[in-house]
Amino acid sequence: GQNIDQPTEMTATEGAIVQINCTYQTSGFNGLFWYQQHAGEAPTFLSYNVLDGLEEKGRFSSFLSRSKGYSYLLLKELQMKDSASYLCAVREDQKLVFGTGTRLLVSP
Amino acid sequence: DAGVIQSPRHEVTEMGQEVTLRCKPISGHDYLFWYRQTMMRGLELLIYFNNNVPIDDSGMPEDRFSAKMPNASFSTLKIQPSEPRDSAVYFCASTQDGARYTFGSGTRLTVV
Repeated sequence: GQNIDQPTEMTATEGAIVQINCTYQTSGFNGLFWYQQHAGEAPTFLSYNVLDGLEEKGRFSSFLSRSKGYSYLLLKELQMKDSASYLCAVREDQKLVFGTGTRLLVSP
Repeated sequence: DAGVIQSPRHEVTEMGQEVTLRCKPISGHDYLFWYRQTMMRGLELLIYFNNNVPIDDSGMPEDRFSAKMPNASFSTLKIQPSEPRDSAVYFCASTQDGARYTFGSGTRLTVV
């Protein structure tokens, strides 16, 4: 079966650092994705990891450990506009299987 | 690049009516996906196509749902007859290389 787990909700303060964890157990694995989704909008691509290690892109970084079935998204220097849902997804063959998402609330 | 284009943005219909959702993928993207998003279940894959051919429709909830892709630039998702539990946001997405998937703006469907 497929199981992708993320915390339901997190809160953080503007300017801080937050780490959103994702664990997965899936029948196949061809990469792990992170998407950002603001309320009422479409998911937008943040990162893609296929090999173990850390991928850094500006304020956002994503880490993958395939042996542990674990990933995290690290957001630095939080801004109010970072308040959104963050979706972890595993690629199986060519399809993306999503977790239920983590709602991040950034407060002043 | 106009992105993935979906129509309509919003649809309100009465129970029992037929609903057709439309999607135009990004030109050159060989894969097209239909997802449904609800608060309870998150983003669920309904069906996906490769080169206009349905590859995996195991997520289609029941026979009331059908999807077609008559050519590389157009796909439809049809619900007939619609039921209140079909109310959700339906997203279309496409990819060329499996390294980045682009989503359309979605269709918010309300069945009353």
